[in-house]
Amino acid sequence: EPEVTQTPSHQVTQMGQEVILRCVPISNHLYFYWYRQILGQKVEFLVSFYNNEISEKSEIFDDQFSVERPDGSNFTLKIRSTKLEDSAMYFCASKTDLVSYEQYFGPGTRLTVT
Amino acid sequence: QKEVEQNSGPLSVPEGAIASLNCTYSDRVSQSFFWYRQYSGKSPELIMSIYSNGDKEDGRFTAQLNKASQYVSLLIRDSQPSDSATYLCTGGGSGGGADGLTFGKGTHLIIQP
Repeated sequence: EPEVTQTPSHQVTQMGQEVILRCVPISNHLYFYWYRQILGQKVEFLVSFYNNEISEKSEIFDDQFSVERPDGSNFTLKIRSTKLEDSAMYFCASKTDLVSYEQYFGPGTRLTVT
Repeated sequence: QKEVEQNSGPLSVPEGAIASLNCTYSDRVSQSFFWYRQYSGKSPELIMSIYSNGDKEDGRFTAQLNKASQYVSLLIRDSQPSDSATYLCTGGGSGGGADGLTFGKGTHLIIQP
């Protein structure tokens, strides 16, 4: 069964550094998402992406975040200058088309900012 | 702003019994509702989706939706220790498209052997 994959599984970085989190959505899916979950808190929507542009973004997704689909398979989340409070699990999700609402999540990347 | 409310638990249920999880949501726009299961340290796994008022059954799971009351529930029959996890209620899809999901904090379910 096709799955969303994410790399790396764990990323440790120093405050102020840039990080890129990578995702490979399910191959025939058209909509891509990033969510984050701070330890012990709820899953929060960051951004959605369709047709090579951002469709929707939350208040969390400020200027330090950016997303990109650099090729036909990868979907990336970049954090330009990491802060301690960016430490969280970051989940990528995808769904197949406009009609479907069901989103499927990848295993996540644990980001630790020191 | 959409809000999804769940009792965080823990909800403790004996093995073999029915576990009942509840969720309320704040807006009348959401058209789709989902239950995800999340094991500790893992990602959310979609287990049920429901779009219409009434019940939807899938194996040991039954989701119930009442849009007028803005209420969603999940019943797990014949609960197993492997059902012990946090269950996340979420809504989205006011019009399809790229809507992000709004999650509740989740209910921590413990199935006691």
